[in-house]
Parts: sequence; structure tokens; C-alpha cells
Amino acid sequence: IAGITQAPTSQILAAGRRMTLRCTQDMRHNAMYWYRQDLGLGLRLIHYSNTAGTTGKGEVPDGYSVSRANTDDFPLTLASAVPSQTSVYFCASSEHGTGASGELFFGEGSRLTVL
Amino acid sequence: GQNIDQPTEMTATEGAIVQINCTYQTSGFNGLFWYQQHAGEAPTFLSYNVLDGLEEKGRFSSFLSRSKGYSYLLLKELQMKDSASYLCAVIDSNYQLIWGAGTKLIIKP
Repeated sequence: IAGITQAPTSQILAAGRRMTLRCTQDMRHNAMYWYRQDLGLGLRLIHYSNTAGTTGKGEVPDGYSVSRANTDDFPLTLASAVPSQTSVYFCASSEHGTGASGELFFGEGSRLTVL
Repeated sequence: GQNIDQPTEMTATEGAIVQINCTYQTSGFNGLFWYQQHAGEAPTFLSYNVLDGLEEKGRFSSFLSRSKGYSYLLLKELQMKDSASYLCAVIDSNYQLIWGAGTKLIIKP
């Protein structure tokens, strides 16, 4: 059972470069999320999607974009990376979208360093 | 603003009991989660409370008081593998999930 798969696991990136973090789930969950986790801070929502074809902005969306062409995939793109985007990124999914009480299932994370 | 407070770090002894507190000030309340996160790994679901009272699940219990904006996670018969961070998260009135910074629990033999 794979659950949620993220790639790459780790990446070092030069500032100004474009980067896409991939996320795939095999649980047929409706909702997917991208979070960043920084030391001393709670998980912060970047973007979310309650169902295929729709996306929404979270708490810290600037500098990031997402798409949800189908149920399984939810890539996160940094158009022009900056050092402040150095973080651990977690993709997550839930059976239902925001407004439901269902638990989140997380991927293993992608550690991104922007130099 | 919205705020969730948890202690940054706690230390406990193997075999003992530890209580990790979480207080919240949010725009409304629609439920509270506890997640466990081992170092370098993904968070995993522990519990969900929406009504006042205690929810017990094996060695772990979670308590909620909505009137006090307060929850705690109780871990009994501590094992070394319980060394992890414990994250408290609240669903606010807009059904957004607000996360605390987490409590790092260190278990000593």
C-alpha cells in the first residue's frame, strides 16, 4: 500500500530556478494539500484542492502554484525559487475536503534547500 | 489572530505517564486533532475530538474542553518509540486546519 508518494525526497536548488515537487496518491481521496514545515512553526498550508479540477490558496501561497488535473496527482511548482522557500514540504490527502473531520494522510516529505 | 500553544519540549521516563497540553484561541471550533511525528518522518493521525470529554485509544487518550479552549494528550506506559513530536491542530469556523508548532517529547530510560 503506497498511500502518498512524494518526489524528490531531497533537492538542492539554485535561487531563481523553477522546481516542481510531485505528489501522487492511490487512495482515491477527494482532497489534497501542500504544507510547508519550518522549525519552530506549525505546518502551514500553501495550497489545497477539494476535488479534481479545483484548487484554493492556503495561508502562504505566494511564490507557489498547483494544479489538479486528476484525482491522483497534485504537483507543487516554485516558479522562481528563493532562499526563504527552503523548507520541508509535505503533501497530504483526505477522503473529503476542508469542512470535514477526516484525518489527513501525509507523504514522507520533500526537503528543499534553495541557495 | 489565531493561536495554538503547546510546550516546545518535554522529557519523561520510560514506563511513566506524560500529559501534553494544547490551548487554542481560534475563530470558532469544529474539532481538534492530535498527530504524532517522528523525526524526519511524516505526521500520523492519533486522535480527533469534537465533543468535550476523554477519548481513549490504547495507551493514548485525548481530552477536550471547548469552554476552556484546552486539550491534552495523555500517554501511558511510555516506550522509547514514543519519542517524537506531537502536533495539535484545530479546525476553525472556516473549516481551516490551524496547527500548533508541536511538542517534542524525549523519553529517557
